[in-house]
Amino acid sequence: DAKTTQPPSMDCAEGRAANLPCNHSTISGNEYVYWYRQIHSQGPQYIIHGLKNNETNEMASLIITEDRKSSTLILPHATLRDTAVYYCIVRGNSNSGYALNFGKGTSLLVTP
Amino acid sequence: NAGVMQNPRHLVRRRGQEARLRCSPMKGHSHVYWYRQLPEEGLKFMVYLQKENIIDESGMPKERFSAEFPKEGPSILRIQQVVRGDSAAYFCASSPLGDGNTIYFGEGSWLTVV
Repeated sequence: DAKTTQPPSMDCAEGRAANLPCNHSTISGNEYVYWYRQIHSQGPQYIIHGLKNNETNEMASLIITEDRKSSTLILPHATLRDTAVYYCIVRGNSNSGYALNFGKGTSLLVTP
Repeated sequence: NAGVMQNPRHLVRRRGQEARLRCSPMKGHSHVYWYRQLPEEGLKFMVYLQKENIIDESGMPKERFSAEFPKEGPSILRIQQVVRGDSAAYFCASSPLGDGNTIYFGEGSWLTVV
């Protein structure tokens, strides 16, 4: 799987949008971009994933650049409960399944 | 639809004892993954199983650790002769066959070796 690079930490004011960047310059054509987060002492939580089109769900939006070498996860209105470590993971996708390889992620602190 | 269920949530073992961690995947999921998170460290992949089959165990320590996912019942992660360094959170995850294979995690089992 392609490697990803994320800033180690970010701050965001409550109610503002949190934009978390991720570089994945070695991504290959059949690899997806996945985002997970881990709130302290809890299991990782799936947020969103995409291949090349932008995606949106009830939790977040995922913007993938046209060359697919980077992406941004957007939490539109951050709350204190969004404080967590956010992981950007590139993963192949097929019926045989692929494990996720977690890096260090970005520690997001949402402040009042 | 119940999520990935892990038990026990917390387990205390003395050095040299065995630890068994159980994982029931989400309904309809045929793939199970085990991860370990040591204190203040990241999540490390251990093993990936389908029913009655180990697909990838590249992250498993060579000794004392084993995993199974039988035809019936939960997946089991077994740690024999535990040592203090095995103290960690162990997360199980599952995914369906097809359907994008999105992986969903359980809440983890915290093993403390005293």
